[in-house]
Amino acid sequence: DQQVKQNSPSLSVQEGRISILNCDYTNSMFDYFLWYKKYPAEGPTFLISISSIKDKNEDGRFTVFLNKSAKHLSLHIVPSQPGDSAVYFCAASYSGGGADGLTFGKGTHLIIQP
Amino acid sequence: DAGVIQSPRHEVTEMGQEVTLRCKPISGHNSLFWYRQTMMRGLELLIYFNNNVPIDDSGMPEDRFSAKMPNASFSTLKIQPSEPRDSAVYFCASSTSGPGAFFGQGTRLTVV
Repeated sequence: DQQVKQNSPSLSVQEGRISILNCDYTNSMFDYFLWYKKYPAEGPTFLISISSIKDKNEDGRFTVFLNKSAKHLSLHIVPSQPGDSAVYFCAASYSGGGADGLTFGKGTHLIIQP
Repeated sequence: DAGVIQSPRHEVTEMGQEVTLRCKPISGHNSLFWYRQTMMRGLELLIYFNNNVPIDDSGMPEDRFSAKMPNASFSTLKIQPSEPRDSAVYFCASSTSGPGAFFGQGTRLTVV
């Protein structure tokens, strides 16, 4: 049973527009959420995170929103750039995302079209 | 720092053979994780260590899988005997107390 779900396997967005990637979770014990970006033949790289005590975290073009009551988070990328084309993984943790392992969604392949 | 280093990058082996994957974490990181990525199951946590001690190995699929961390700068994941369904990309990651973990480039294992 998947505890972190990314229901869109792929998403195509025009360059310059906003990309919105969604993630749902089922375990209310998760207290930290992270987004990772992955290019082919590389390992995932950490992008942005959010603690469960917040509802928004922003870092440049990337913003993560958390709706605890809906057990839903989203990653907004604006404006989208060609280099953003990658697979994005949502992940959740019980302990701030550091010492314990992460539970990952299956990923969303974001394609930025020129 | 060179980041998390995994070897080999690619491994092709015959069913029944022993396979050993290696990982060097980032210096100073006290947590180390082994993940497996497959099309069907995505990225799964297999096992993790804190300060070289295995903390949770509940993700290890079978007794054929074992992992060790003899010191702070080295870890191995061993599969013996290997089976075709073990074919996947295996990632090692390390972290400190901050959010997120740093991943290596992975080892693509193919068991024929």
